[in-house]
Amino acid sequence: GAGVSQSPSNKVTEKGKDVELRCDPISGHTALYWYRQSLGQGLEFLIYFQGNSAPDKSGLPSDRFSAERTGGSVSTLTIQRTQQEDSAVYLCASSLALLEAFFGQGTRLTVV
Amino acid sequence: AQSVTQPDIHITVSEGASLELRCNYSYGATPYLFWYVQSPGQGLQLLLKYFSGDTLVQGIKGFEAEFKRSQSSFNLRKPSVHWSDAAEYFCAVGPPSYGNKLVFGAGTILRVKS
Repeated sequence: GAGVSQSPSNKVTEKGKDVELRCDPISGHTALYWYRQSLGQGLEFLIYFQGNSAPDKSGLPSDRFSAERTGGSVSTLTIQRTQQEDSAVYLCASSLALLEAFFGQGTRLTVV
Repeated sequence: AQSVTQPDIHITVSEGASLELRCNYSYGATPYLFWYVQSPGQGLQLLLKYFSGDTLVQGIKGFEAEFKRSQSSFNLRKPSVHWSDAAEYFCAVGPPSYGNKLVFGAGTILRVKS
């Protein structure tokens, strides 16, 4: 596609439920990032995929968070047993090697 | 470890006034440098980038930034701010080597007074 696509754009879930957020990066981009942006906060790095290398998971806040990238393209961020503090906008970005990252519009997650 | 510091959380300027947003980085080598802007309810958009060469780079929307190696800084400037520039601005650094991630600063929120 022309840009990074994220779905859903909005998600409301009940506390304790699992959610999956999807990211379709720009075709051919080798790097993919997930960030979290809470209200009034900056970008919190979550996880980084680069080609076939092992992902950098150093930003995942707890073991309830996981992500995978299938076939070097689409990525899914999964949050298990959601908590209210997980409410945020989850941003995905992709880049080609060392060049700039292109961001999707984000998924706004609300845990009620 | 790599880090990016944007010392100003909020900045307020009058429309038509000049603007400078500060960014300092900590890195073992000269990184690639970026400025992004996020308007309310929008995704992040790249304003400009520095890879090498001329240390003064021009970007979109009339923005420019200057890389100063001696100060490990990459400050964003605009000579005359417009009300539509009100947004959050993020500085980011990327390593000039394959396989490492972009690191973002905490952001600076710009408010423009009319």
